[in-house]
Amino acid sequence: GEDVEQSLFLSVREGDSSVINCTYTDSSSTYLYWYKQEPGAGLQLLTYIFSNMDMKQDQRLTVLLNKKDKHLSLRIADTQTGDSAIYFCAETSDSGYSTLTFGKGTMLLVSP
Amino acid sequence: NAGVTQTPKFQVLKTGQSMTLQCAQDMNHEYMSWYRQDPGMGLRLIHYSVGAGITDQGEVPNGYNVSRSTTEDFPLRLLSAAPSQTSVYFCASRPGQGVVGNEQFFGPGTRLTVL
Repeated sequence: GEDVEQSLFLSVREGDSSVINCTYTDSSSTYLYWYKQEPGAGLQLLTYIFSNMDMKQDQRLTVLLNKKDKHLSLRIADTQTGDSAIYFCAETSDSGYSTLTFGKGTMLLVSP
Repeated sequence: NAGVTQTPKFQVLKTGQSMTLQCAQDMNHEYMSWYRQDPGMGLRLIHYSVGAGITDQGEVPNGYNVSRSTTEDFPLRLLSAAPSQTSVYFCASRPGQGVVGNEQFFGPGTRLTVL
């Protein structure tokens, strides 16, 4: 089946930039998503990118997509302690019904 | 809109008991799904539905049943609970094919412990 891989852990200092990386295998991916999960909570959609885009910026968040290498990244500028959470990358195609395939999540720890 | 709602928030069962986890959405979404989340395993798809009356199995369907009699509701039934089903269960919905973004919205989760 299709696969999505993420590094498991990232630690940064408050004020630094964080970059969370994701690779996927499905060449028919249409949408790629980033979700945030805070402790004890559900998943919250942060942003998504359409597969024909290279970059999407939304306030402190920048998503970069390298479709050739099937590599997705999420950059958080000026990382705050409130950004500490687990971040999930997910992908889906838009042909027929397609499930979302999730990575295992990257735990981001922001220290003061 | 309430979005995706799940009940109960917490549940403790004994091995062999059965129960139903409830899920409802008020966004008129076609697609609904159930996931379980276990430490180190990420999210795994249990069952999903592409519309009322249509369901299919995901990655880990054994021990679970679903039905979709209405667009709004998608209950998950545990037939005979086992300790291996101790997990956090998330219900999710999304609009369906052809909708730009086709974003998936998650419920708050049900934390289930099977003793």
